[in-house]
Amino acid sequence: GQNIDQPTEMTATEGAIVQINCTYQTSGFNGLFWYQQHAGEAPTFLSYNVLDGLEEKGRFSSFLSRSKGYSYLLLKELQMKDSASYLCALTNRDDKIIFGKGTRLHILP
Amino acid sequence: GAGVSQSPRYKVTKRGQDVALRCDPISGHVSLYWYRQALGQGPEFLTYFNYEAQQDKSGLPNDRFSAERPEGSISTLTIQRTEQRDSAMYRCASSLSGPRTDTQYFGPGTRLTVL
Repeated sequence: GQNIDQPTEMTATEGAIVQINCTYQTSGFNGLFWYQQHAGEAPTFLSYNVLDGLEEKGRFSSFLSRSKGYSYLLLKELQMKDSASYLCALTNRDDKIIFGKGTRLHILP
Repeated sequence: GAGVSQSPRYKVTKRGQDVALRCDPISGHVSLYWYRQALGQGPEFLTYFNYEAQQDKSGLPNDRFSAERPEGSISTLTIQRTEQRDSAMYRCASSLSGPRTDTQYFGPGTRLTVL
């Protein structure tokens, strides 16, 4: 079967760095997405990793290790507007897509 | 053009009634997805279409749930004989091509409440 684990909640301070981890199990893994979802709004795309390594995009970076079934989302220079849920989602070669339950990130001033 | 739209945004119905939820994807997007999202949880996959073909309906909870996309554009998710446990946010998403590599663009959702 397929399974995704990510922490339920995290708290960090404005201006700091936070790393949100995601571990997964699936057959025929293809790629891994990160989405951001503010309360009451629709999820929006942040990043996509298919190869091992780090993908950097401004203040946000995403890392993937296929052999370890592990990814993380790194958020730098945190801003209050980064308070949101962060969803890890994977796809496999059968075109299955599964979302994790999301990590609620609270930013303190 | 515009993003993914869904209607109605809110639907309140009585147990036992049928409901139809509509999704209008981004123009030109081949794939369309339906999800159900409980409060504080991630989206739960229900079904997806490539053009008008329903490629995967493994996530539909039971045979009261059905979906169609007859002309490869607008899609309707129908829930027959609604039950209170069907109350949730139903989200639609679309992507330019298939789910394997493509970004999904989500609609605002339909909040369904079954009394």
